[in-house]
Amino acid sequence: KNEVEQSPQNLTAQEGEFITINCSYSVGISALHWLQQHPGGGIVSLFMLSSGKKKHGRLIATINIQEKHSSLHITASHPRDSAVYICAVMKTSGSRLTFGEGTQLTVNP
Amino acid sequence: DAGVIQSPRHEVTEMGQEVTLRCKLISGHNSLFWYRQTMMRGLELLIYFNNNVPIDDSGMPEDRFSAKMPNASFSTLKIQPSEPRDSAVYFCASSLEGGPGGYNEQFFGPGTRLTVL
Repeated sequence: KNEVEQSPQNLTAQEGEFITINCSYSVGISALHWLQQHPGGGIVSLFMLSSGKKKHGRLIATINIQEKHSSLHITASHPRDSAVYICAVMKTSGSRLTFGEGTQLTVNP
Repeated sequence: DAGVIQSPRHEVTEMGQEVTLRCKLISGHNSLFWYRQTMMRGLELLIYFNNNVPIDDSGMPEDRFSAKMPNASFSTLKIQPSEPRDSAVYFCASSLEGGPGGYNEQFFGPGTRLTVL
């Protein structure tokens, strides 16, 4: 079983829809990242969380440390949000990131 | 700031050849991470440096892979000899660790797409 699991693996939405991507992890962590990777391949860090909730524009990330679960929400989705979204955790035992398999999001106009 | 700089962006080589990938950290950052991304295995950490010292190299696949930080702002990842299964996108990321609040987020370079024929 992977230490970091994301769901769904693939998600197709219509423009304007509210989107949620989930991440569950099974290890103790000091922080959790949400990353975005566009078809061109570049990786952008969207959020780094250790507790609570963060918001940036139409993106919201939440984390529940007790339940070992995080969610990434996109409000009013747009075709340019189409990308792979990757959850990654930093274990409390070190500095390395452990990655989920990613969620491929496609937003259709 | 130019962000993390990687070169080359694309590399095509033949099996058995030596490959050197380069990374320049963001100015002021003190930690560097080399990652590899493949379709089969996703993103994996290869090695992590802090203040020029290798801290965790448990992800380096085998002796054919080596990484160095000759100075505080630059790193190389070398594969010798290269094999077709090394074909992947190699990302470098930098961060400032030990700053206010402890662990800081990582900033990724654009990646080097390596193809070994």
